[in-house]
Amino acid sequence: DTEVTQTPKHLVMGMTNKKSLKCEQHMGHRAMYWYKQKAKKPPELMFVYSYEKLSINESVPSRFSPECPNSSLLNLHLHALQPEDSALYLCASSHTSGGAGDTQYFGPGTRLTVL
Amino acid sequence: GNSVTQMEGPVTLSEEAFLTINCTYTATGYPSLFWYVQYPGEGLQLLLKATKADDKGSNKGFEATYRKETTSFHLEKGSVQVSDSAVYFCALSDRQGGSEKLVFGKGMKLTVNP
Repeated sequence: DTEVTQTPKHLVMGMTNKKSLKCEQHMGHRAMYWYKQKAKKPPELMFVYSYEKLSINESVPSRFSPECPNSSLLNLHLHALQPEDSALYLCASSHTSGGAGDTQYFGPGTRLTVL
Repeated sequence: GNSVTQMEGPVTLSEEAFLTINCTYTATGYPSLFWYVQYPGEGLQLLLKATKADDKGSNKGFEATYRKETTSFHLEKGSVQVSDSAVYFCALSDRQGGSEKLVFGKGMKLTVNP
């Protein structure tokens, strides 16, 4: 099973709302990732968790707050977002985050719209 | 820093046509190289990868060879199908601290007509 699941599939929120995106994998992977993808652009890395610890934060604004409660689960907490944060948010996982050539497996994404 | 340059398209082909998508990279060291495909409304799927020079990755009729001398990883398929219509991303692995991250090219949208 090489599946990464993400919920919700779609999310519409106002600029004052607080919401969370959820990502889950049961492949025993110890690295998990959040990416942001704007229309017609490649994914941009936001965060990397390795063995449940944050290892890379690509200077993401604090209105995005990641959390990795256990090795199978990754959350992205959203607060006070801006309309320009509207995008497809992709989660990925890999066996480890330091292995050469480790394949990252992507979920289907959450389509976020900020009004 | 490490980077990937790929054909951007969009490209439209007829079914059974030959496909080449060029990808070149700039990197220190020897990164792993990947081709990912994104079908409409979906996340990315690994199409193929190569981890060292002269490796050839292949999957679903697609092939790409890791060429260190030309820093290239061009994707080819001999006969495309309508179902190959998607966006194709070339990527390399870039080590940052103790973790590896993917650096993507801009992507190329392919449409295959019957």
